[in-house]
Amino acid sequence: EVQLVESGGGLVKPGGSLRLSCAASGFTFSSYTMNWVRQTPGKGLDRVSYISDSSTYIYYADSVKGRFTISRDNAKNLLYLQMNSLRAEDTGIYYCARDQQLGVFDSWGQGTLVAVSP
Amino acid sequence: DIQMTQSPSSLSASVGDRVTITCQASQDINDYLNWYQQKPGKAPKLLIYDASNLETGVPSRFSGSGSGTHFTFTISSLQPEDVATYFCQEYDSLPLCTFGQGTKLEIK
Repeated sequence: EVQLVESGGGLVKPGGSLRLSCAASGFTFSSYTMNWVRQTPGKGLDRVSYISDSSTYIYYADSVKGRFTISRDNAKNLLYLQMNSLRAEDTGIYYCARDQQLGVFDSWGQGTLVAVSP
Repeated sequence: DIQMTQSPSSLSASVGDRVTITCQASQDINDYLNWYQQKPGKAPKLLIYDASNLETGVPSRFSGSGSGTHFTFTISSLQPEDVATYFCQEYDSLPLCTFGQGTKLEIK
């Protein structure tokens, strides 16, 4: 059974940093492109970043470019999102999601809540 | 950027009813359109991909159709467990991909 389990969310002040992790199991992690998708009150669902299976291709949404860094450790079946210079508008639930084919998210984690507030 | 307009934004129907949700794209997206179900407090779940393909394990009462700019998602006979918010998502504009704003479905 495919399982994705996020961790690392929390309450942080504007300008602060968080590192999210996603532990994958039940499939060959190194064969899949992985995504971070967030759900915010303001913008709904929004893919913020993806990383290809071997980390060759990386994408960031304009809203997070220069502030967020995606990475993965295929030996440990882990996906990461380093979030710096956090803003109030980054508040939301962050999901890791597997790419069945580019742009089709066939498995999602339960999400981790990020709250950016003074 | 492609805009995805879902309608209605909310819907109330009775058990056994046929339910239809539409998604309009601001430009031609071929059939690069997915539908997801999100139950309260849960992550989205893929139901339909490539406009009309049923994801493995999804009940056959769910279906999707359309191509180009106009797409339809249908539940043929609404069940109590179908209470959820439903989202469309295009992926014709990769690496961008845009979700609709969602349709909240309730039981009357």
